[in-house]
This record gives sequence, C-alpha cells and structure tokens, in this order.
Amino acid sequence: GQQLNQSPQSMFIQEGEDVSMNCTSSSIFNTWLWYKQDPGEGPVLLIALYKAGELTSNGRLTAQFGITRKDSFLNISASIPSDVGIYFCAGQLSVDYGQNFVFGPGTRLSVLP
Amino acid sequence: EPEVTQTPSHQVTQMGQEVILRCVPISNHLYFYWYRQILGQKVEFLVSFYNNEISEKSEIFDDQFSVERPDGSNFTLKIRSTKLEDSAMYFCASSGRPTEAFFGQGTRLTVV
Repeated sequence: GQQLNQSPQSMFIQEGEDVSMNCTSSSIFNTWLWYKQDPGEGPVLLIALYKAGELTSNGRLTAQFGITRKDSFLNISASIPSDVGIYFCAGQLSVDYGQNFVFGPGTRLSVLP
Repeated sequence: EPEVTQTPSHQVTQMGQEVILRCVPISNHLYFYWYRQILGQKVEFLVSFYNNEISEKSEIFDDQFSVERPDGSNFTLKIRSTKLEDSAMYFCASSGRPTEAFFGQGTRLTVV
C-alpha cells in the first residue's frame, strides 16, 4: 500500500527557533493534510493543501504542497512550548467520496525553554 | 466550535467480547471515518462511510468489524469478538467534504 515517510523522526529545538519538517512518498497525492497530536488526544487539523505548489499559512505555521505531488513540508516559526507534540502528515490519493487518508509515522517535536 | 465526540473515553473488555465504540460526528457532515492508532505507532485507516454505506475499508477492517449510523447523529464501530491485538486508540473522524477530516478525542480500547 501507499506509504509516507516523515523526517526528521524527532527533533529538539530551543524556544524561539524555527522548525522545518517534511513528508515524502513514492505515490502522487491529490491532498495533503498536516495534523498535530498531543498525548492521549486526537489529531488536530492544522493545514490542508489541495494543489501542487500551493503554499498555505495558519498563524506561525506554513505548509507547501510539493510540485511533484509526492511531498509536502511544514514550517513552524518562532516555536513556543505549546508546539510540543507529534506532527503527522496525511495524504489522500483521490478526491472521490470517502477516499481514505494515509498517515505518515510522525515527527515528534520537543521545545526546550 | 463544533467537534467530534466519542464515547467512552476508555473501554476495557475481555478477549472474545463484543464492543461498540460510539461517535457523534459534527452536525451536517456527510463523510465519516474510523481510524485506529496502536500505542506509539501511526494512525491507520479502518473504514470510510458515506451516503449510508461503506465507501472504502482497509485490510484491517475484516469480518469482525462493522459500522452503523443508526439514527442520523451517531456513528458506531462494532468489534464482534475482540482480540488482544485490537487494543488501540480508536478515532472517529468526520468531514463536510471528502478532502479533509476532523478527529474526535478517541476511545482507548484495552483488551485483556
């Protein structure tokens, strides 16, 4: 089946630093979603991307849909302690109804004060 | 802000027992999903549901699993005879369009 790879697997940064993480696949996706998951909670949708090359921001978060449609990245600027969590990318192959989302393994972010 | 709600938050069951996990999707949403996450692992797709029928299911979603939308507001996942390896967080998600999904807080299922 389709697989997504995320890098890095984990990262430790100082508060105030910028963060960059990415998601790659051997398959072409039509939609990319970025989620954040806190311990014991469900994934929270951060950003949705629908077109190749699209760059979308949500506050300090910026994500881009790769031109090849096989990758996406997420940037967080000026990190704060509440950014701690696991960031998942999710790709969707088709916009047909009910088409499932394939999740990556996640990037675990730790922010040091 | 509307949200997907799931009950119970934690369910402990004996191996071989049936469990029903309940979800109330966001009102007016049309697409419904169940995902699961084994501890420390990634989120895995189980099934999607649209227009009162399953639109897609994964190989995990075998004959032991079923879904139902019994009354227009609830969306349930039933596991007929639980196995130890069914222990996981089960997430319900819903959306108003097929290109996004909003997740609930999850039900932690522990099979003993």
